Amino acid sequence: NAGVTQTPKFRVLKTGQSMTLLCAQDMNHEYMYWYRQDPGMGLRLIHYSVGEGTTAKGEVPDGYNVSRLKKQNFLLGLESAAPSQTSVYFCASSLGTPYNEQFFGPGTRLTVL
Amino acid sequence: AQSVSQHNHHVILSEAASLELGCNYSYGGTVNLFWYVQYPGQHLQLLLKYFSGDPLVKGIKGFEAEFIKSKFSFNLRKPSVQWSDTAEYFCAVTPYSSASKIIFGSGTRLSIRP
Repeated sequence: NAGVTQTPKFRVLKTGQSMTLLCAQDMNHEYMYWYRQDPGMGLRLIHYSVGEGTTAKGEVPDGYNVSRLKKQNFLLGLESAAPSQTSVYFCASSLGTPYNEQFFGPGTRLTVL
Repeated sequence: AQSVSQHNHHVILSEAASLELGCNYSYGGTVNLFWYVQYPGQHLQLLLKYFSGDPLVKGIKGFEAEFIKSKFSFNLRKPSVQWSDTAEYFCAVTPYSSASKIIFGSGTRLSIRP
């Protein structure tokens, strides 16, 4: 039981490049989330999904897209990376309402030059 | 708008000192409350949670938190901290009726002097 895993762990991009971050969970959770963590700002929700085939915008969705084609996977895409997207990205999953205890992945450190 | 406030951004304590980290939220309905901890270089882990019942909840590693509904607070406490408690601590709130609304505080960095 691996919990929540993220790929890759580190990545360096040049401005304008694209990439996809992969999140996978093996707990059969319905809900999945992508956050970014920046110093002094805590965790900010980018996008989330309440089930396979669904996605919704969070607090800071601009510049990101997501897909949830399979229940266990949640992909975060950056179509044209910008330096402002330099951050640590965390994926999380949960059973959803009503308790919503979230389980986090190890994070991806992304640097955009 | 709903929000979570952690007023202490950085707390520095000596080993064996007592700890209290503040967390206040703004939401009028029923909520679930969490404290997460992030040790240096690691991902967030659940420290403790409150769903219902006894407002004093105990978590891992000797931490506890008290939910005071009238004050919209969920402060984290530990009677005697250890160097290994050095980490960042996040309070989080989710309305009972809406799992999609997860609101995290900005975090409190705790540094323990050995």
